[in-house]
Order: sequence, then C-alpha cells, then structure tokens
Amino acid sequence: RKEVEQDPGPFNVPEGATVAFNCTYSNSASQSFFWYRQDCRKEPKLLMSVYSSGNEDGRFTAQLNRASQYISLLIRDSKLSDSATYLCVVNSLSGGTSYGKLTFGQGTILTVHP
Amino acid sequence: NAGVTQTPKFRVLKTGQSMTLLCAQDMNHEYMYWYRQDPGMGLRLIHYSVGEGTTAKGEVPDGYNVSRLKKQNFLLGLESAAPSQTSVYFCASRQDVLGMGKAFFGQGTRLTVV
Repeated sequence: RKEVEQDPGPFNVPEGATVAFNCTYSNSASQSFFWYRQDCRKEPKLLMSVYSSGNEDGRFTAQLNRASQYISLLIRDSKLSDSATYLCVVNSLSGGTSYGKLTFGQGTILTVHP
Repeated sequence: NAGVTQTPKFRVLKTGQSMTLLCAQDMNHEYMYWYRQDPGMGLRLIHYSVGEGTTAKGEVPDGYNVSRLKKQNFLLGLESAAPSQTSVYFCASRQDVLGMGKAFFGQGTRLTVV
C-alpha cells in the first residue's frame, strides 16, 4: 500500500465551481501535512499547510482528520489559473529520531474550463 | 539568493553509463531530498538526508546512491544507468520548523537513458 494515496482524477470543472480533493495516508505516526501545487513541467510549490483544526486561505480550505488518516482540499469559485496538479504531502518519522521524511501522493489533476 | 540549484538540467545517457546529479542549497537547510517524477506517478522519494553526513532510503532507492558530505550539497549518483531511470529528477530542501517547514524545489533534471 502506498504511504500517501490520492484520486488522480482528472477533474474537469467549469469556472466558478467548487471542487474537493481527498488524500489518505497510512503512517499513523505522521506529523504534518501539506498541499502542493505543480504546474506542467515545473517544480512543485507549497499551496498551504494543513493544521489539525482545519485552515482556510482565500478560496482554499484544508481539513485534517487524524482518526481517519484523511486530508482534504476544497477550492471554491474555481479560476482558470487553478488548473494544475495538486499534490498531497505527508511529513513522517525518519529512523525513529526526526520527522524528516516527506512523502508525496501521486497528485490530482485539475482542469478548469471557461 | 539562488535557493535550490540542480545541475545539470538536461542529460542523455547511454545504458550502463554513470553520472552524478548535484543539488545545492544556500538556505542552510537541514533536510534535503531527491525525488523522481514519472507520468501519472507523482513524486517518488529516492533518498533523503536529515543532516550533514546522514542519508536514508526512500520509496525507490534501488539503482541510486547519495552523499551529503557538506550541508549545502546533496549528490545523487547513478552507477550504471538503465532505461527505467529515464525520468525527471527533483531535489528539495527544507528546514524543519516544528514539522511545518516549507520545501523548496530545484527546477528539475530531465534525464533520458537510451
């Protein structure tokens, strides 16, 4: 089983739509969680961190459910510029001494059309 | 401030040749990572390092070796390249700020093994 699993999509939505991505992780000792965005043939960039209480950044809302080992990302009022691949990322224990292992899901492709 | 720099950006190798990819960061980050990205596979962790002189295996370490002799550099070696190692390789670094440190990526190395 992969450590981090995402629905690869693709998701094709019209401008203005609300879309949600889900991610599950298998390591219960995971410490912190992130969503990254990757544009075609570019390096990934941090979209937002995911906090235990849930957090919002403009049109983006991230949620964490530690009991179910589940992370989500909600995008409201989708824009054309939101078209990208969204990567779920988990930071977990490394060698029993530090939380340095950063594992990515396979990514969810989003296309927003006019 | 250059951030994370990968060298080279493109390379074509013949099967059986060796090469070293260099990742350099100027942010004094403790953690460094090597990933490979193949179509539909997201980023898969090859090796990582949680400090100078330390390395650990990720999800797909076979066929690769790494070294972190200096804090700012993380080298990825292919001793005998195989066509299955054709991929885009990304290096990243981060500082672990209570587990929430942001990862900074290089621009990637596109490697083709023929």
